[in-house]
This record gives sequence, structure tokens and C-alpha cells, in this order.
Amino acid sequence: GDSVTQMEGPVTLSEEAFLTINCTYTATGYPSLFWYVQYPGEGLQLLLKATKADDKGSNKGFEATYRKETTSFHLEKGSVQVSDSAVYFCALRVNTGGFKTIFGAGTRLFVKA
Amino acid sequence: DADVTQTPRNRITKTGKRIMLECSQTKGHDRMYWYRQDPGLGLRLIYYSFDVKDINKGEISDGYSVSRQAQAKFSLSLESAIPNQTALYFCATSDSDRAEAFFGQGTRLTVV
Repeated sequence: GDSVTQMEGPVTLSEEAFLTINCTYTATGYPSLFWYVQYPGEGLQLLLKATKADDKGSNKGFEATYRKETTSFHLEKGSVQVSDSAVYFCALRVNTGGFKTIFGAGTRLFVKA
Repeated sequence: DADVTQTPRNRITKTGKRIMLECSQTKGHDRMYWYRQDPGLGLRLIYYSFDVKDINKGEISDGYSVSRQAQAKFSLSLESAIPNQTALYFCATSDSDRAEAFFGQGTRLTVV
């Protein structure tokens, strides 16, 4: 079935370090791909998205490229800040009896000053 | 004001009690969803509704029921709460097939 697998956390980095959070997916058809971020005590917010192969989503210094050949959508940021500490969810939206969003398990990021 | 509002934000209830979680939205979206979040499991879909007359089970619907009272309101009920329903519950909306979802702030439910 359709699924999303992302790297386990927590990930702990120092401020200004490079971030990669891996995400791979399994899906039939052509899903849209998303990264959501959840700050402490809040609901999920969309961080970025890509709707077709080779699209690059970007926002707030984060980027992810839709790679159909490797079924991946890895999240990257060149220089993280303490304020980026949050839980990051990779997700896909697929038409399986109606469009539904399927989430990965989430990766917690801690950024130290 | 939040686009998607959930009430209550926190609730402690006893095993066997009936409880309702409510969700309202001002986005004007047709599609509404209920998810539960458990550590290490991400978000799992409980129920979803594509319009007032269309309600569908998600992957973990057992022990839950829903009601879509209006386009803007979608409530989740636990008819007889049990401890393994202790979780963080999120309501979400979206307006089209490939669009992002907008989430409420969550309801933390503890069943003792």
C-alpha cells in the first residue's frame, strides 16, 4: 500500500549546521509530496510541497526535490537556527478511493545554540 | 482567529465515558479529517468527510464515530473511551485533491 518512511529522530544539530531529513515513499500513481512542521504545542503547518517529478519546494530556507526515480523527497536546510527546533513530517497525497494524505512518523529536530 | 478550531484543547476522562471532540473551520473547505497522533507513529487517519453527506472510515476507525453537522463542523466521538485512545487528536481541512491540509491546534485526550 501507499506509505511514507522518514529517518528516525531525534536529530540534534548545532546552530548553522547543515540539515538533511530523509524521506522515501511508496505510492501508486503520481502523488503530491509535502513537508509539514509541528512546533511545540501547535498543530501541523505546511512547510513546502511539490506536485510533480523534479519539482523543488522551498520555504524559509528549507528545500526538497521530488525525485521520482528514487521515490524520495529529502528535506534540506543549509544553516539551521534554534527556532527550527520542531517535529518534521513528510507526507504524500494520493488518490486511493478519494484523495487522502498519508504521513510519515515524524522526525524531531533539536538545534543547540 | 484560527482557521481551524478544536475544542476542548485538553481533556481527561474516565474509561467507559462518552466524549465528543469538536472541530469548526472558517476556510470554507469541503474536506475535513480527523487524525490521531501517537509518538513514533505519526498521524493516522480516523475518519474523513468530503462533504456533508459523505463520511468515510480511515485506517483506525474502530471505537470512533463522527458527525458532519454542517460544512464547517466535524465532530469526533468516542462512545466508550478506553486508555489506549489516549493521544493527541487533530482536525484538518483541505479544499482540493492536491492541496495542503490546514490543521487545528490539537486536542490532548487522556483516558484514565
